[in-house]
Amino acid sequence: DAKTTQPPSMDCAEGRAANLPCNHSTISGNEYVYWYRQIHSQGPQYIIHGLKNNETNEMASLIITEDRKSSTLILPHATLRDTAVYYCIVHFGNEKLTFGTGTRLTIIP
Amino acid sequence: SAVISQKPSRDICQRGTSLTIQCQVDSQVTMMFWYRQQPGQSLTLIATANQGSEATYESGFVIDKFPISRPNLTFSTLTVSNMSPEDSSIYLCSVEKDGTGQETQYFGPGTRLLVL
Repeated sequence: DAKTTQPPSMDCAEGRAANLPCNHSTISGNEYVYWYRQIHSQGPQYIIHGLKNNETNEMASLIITEDRKSSTLILPHATLRDTAVYYCIVHFGNEKLTFGTGTRLTIIP
Repeated sequence: SAVISQKPSRDICQRGTSLTIQCQVDSQVTMMFWYRQQPGQSLTLIATANQGSEATYESGFVIDKFPISRPNLTFSTLTVSNMSPEDSSIYLCSVEKDGTGQETQYFGPGTRLLVL
């Protein structure tokens, strides 16, 4: 079973920041939070991951609460090409990735 | 990261036949994975394929139906045997690469299979 809870869908205006929430209240101390996205008809694309500190890369920022029970993926300036299903996954080491149903993000022109 | 290719990208097959899907990665990796994504659904892991050992199958998937080869550290194949329309799915391979303190999985583009 997926260890995360995400809203099924969200809309965001083009050019605005998209903030995608994820709850992972049962996360254990050594599990990382990973974000992937899947654009229609393509393989999932790795976005970012973190343990407890906030992380930023060229694609997005990841904000993890101090208690690590939730996190937010931020796409700072959403474009139409960011329309995709976004998956939040908790994962450690060689454990298999368990994909939930994700959040379908639609960027509105 | 890793660059992964899959062949074929899509295929239409008749029931009762078999299809072998190839996965090629641009660097040597220890762990490769095969997933299935049924229409409108999320990804489900079929099996883990390590070079030099038998693949490890998840519950609900068996070797007779989904035989896997892993002849070297850059290549793997998944065969979908004796296909039925229920096997119509996207099949994806992924590899695990060392990230910043934690392994990260990277996915191929997928093989879209339609069984008639």
